[in-house]
Amino acid sequence: EAGVAQSPRYKIIEKRQSVAFWCNPISGHATLYWYQQILGQGPKLLIQFQNNGVVDDSQLPKDRFSAERLKGVDSTLKIQPAKLEDSAVYLCASQDRVINEKLFFGSGTQLSVL
Amino acid sequence: GDSVTQMEGPVTLSEEAFLTINCTYTATGYPSLFWYVQYPGEGLQLLLKATKADDKGSNKGFEATYRKETTSFHLEKGSVQVSDSAVYFCALMEYGNKLVFGAGTILRVKS
Repeated sequence: EAGVAQSPRYKIIEKRQSVAFWCNPISGHATLYWYQQILGQGPKLLIQFQNNGVVDDSQLPKDRFSAERLKGVDSTLKIQPAKLEDSAVYLCASQDRVINEKLFFGSGTQLSVL
Repeated sequence: GDSVTQMEGPVTLSEEAFLTINCTYTATGYPSLFWYVQYPGEGLQLLLKATKADDKGSNKGFEATYRKETTSFHLEKGSVQVSDSAVYFCALMEYGNKLVFGAGTILRVKS
């Protein structure tokens, strides 16, 4: 089966610019996650979707980050305006059923804010 | 809140050496425990998991035992290969099915 697709693979922007990341989960997976992985740290959950509804966005910096999952399939994560500390790898993951517990991760988008 | 602590790396071993990567956790309930692996240029992949105390997860020669009394889930392999070089993440999943990760441990295996 096809895996979780993310694009772009790399992005370099200047601070205060905006950027968007795209994720296409595995077909049929109802749950989608966005994680932020800063260099040298483990991934940190930003937001969790169940179909097209938000389950948990408690760690999403809502003054600058936004995410949506239209029609319960693809998702986009946006940062506006970006700060230097947003430099990280942004990972998307999808999950078939809650009881399965297994998450499938994309390769991530590496963001550098200069 | 829930947290995971892993031994710091990088860990550098010769081929066929024994591997241990320590992992301890803090949780309010009884989480499921996981080891994920990230090979260079690839996404995170589930390596093994254990869902309750005394369970042993195993895969590709790696194994880890859920120790409730010591709140630990140490990863072991009897004989590492160069192809095992990667970053290993310990993680737990509790209420809300959120994965909480440790900081990761870099493993380098030399031939």
